[in-house]
Amino acid sequence: GAVVSQHPSWVICKSGTSVKIECRSLDFQATTMFWYRQFPKQSLMLMATSNEGSKATYEQGVEKDKFLINHASLTLSTLTVTSAHPEDSSFYICSAHGRFLAGGDTQYFGPGTRLTVL
Amino acid sequence: GESVGLHLPTLSVQEGDNSIINCAYSNSASDYFIWYKQESGKGPQFIIDIRSNMDKRQGQRVTVLLNKTVKHLSLQIAATQPGDSAVYFCAETDSWGKLQFGAGTQVVVTP
Repeated sequence: GAVVSQHPSWVICKSGTSVKIECRSLDFQATTMFWYRQFPKQSLMLMATSNEGSKATYEQGVEKDKFLINHASLTLSTLTVTSAHPEDSSFYICSAHGRFLAGGDTQYFGPGTRLTVL
Repeated sequence: GESVGLHLPTLSVQEGDNSIINCAYSNSASDYFIWYKQESGKGPQFIIDIRSNMDKRQGQRVTVLLNKTVKHLSLQIAATQPGDSAVYFCAETDSWGKLQFGAGTQVVVTP
C-alpha cells in the first residue's frame, strides 16, 4: 500500500511553455501533499505544501505565480511550471502525507518527474 | 541551493560487509526521524523511522540508532548487497510536519 504516482515521468519542453505535473496517491487519501525539486548530486528542496481544498503554502524563495499548485481532491495534486526556462530544468518529486509503523507522520514519495527545458 | 557544486559523500562498501551511514541533525526539538533510500532517477523510498523516545530500532537488515545528546543519527545495513547501492538521506520532521533532509550519502557496493 501507500503508493504515490507521478505523471509524466519525464518531459522536454521549449522555453516559455507551461508544463503540468500530476501527483496521485493511489491507495490512500492524502490531505496534504508536498512538492520538492532536486538538482543533481543534491538533496531534496521543499518547494510548497499542498492542502486539499485550500491554497498551497510556498517556501521562502519559491515563486507562487511561477509554480502553480492545485490540490483538487484527496488523491490528486498538480504542479504547473509556468513560462518554463532552462533554469527550471530539474527533478520534481511529490510526496503524500501518511503514517508509518513508529506512529509518526511522514511522507510517501512519488517516482519523480524529470523536466528539461530547452 | 546551499550545496551547489558539492559532491555527495561516498561510502564504498564491499559486498557482504556491514555499512554505517551517519547523519547529524540540527533541531534538538525534532521528535521523529526517517531514513530514505534514493536510487538514480527515482523518488526516495522509506527505509526505517524512529521517534525521539527511542534510541534504537531494527528492521530487516537495517538498524537506526539515535543519539539525542549529540544530535546524531545512523543507519546500519547488515550484509550489504549490490541492490543497496543508492543515495541515503536522513530526514527530521519539524514542528510543522515538514521534512528537513540531510545532504545525503552515496553508498557504492563493490563485489
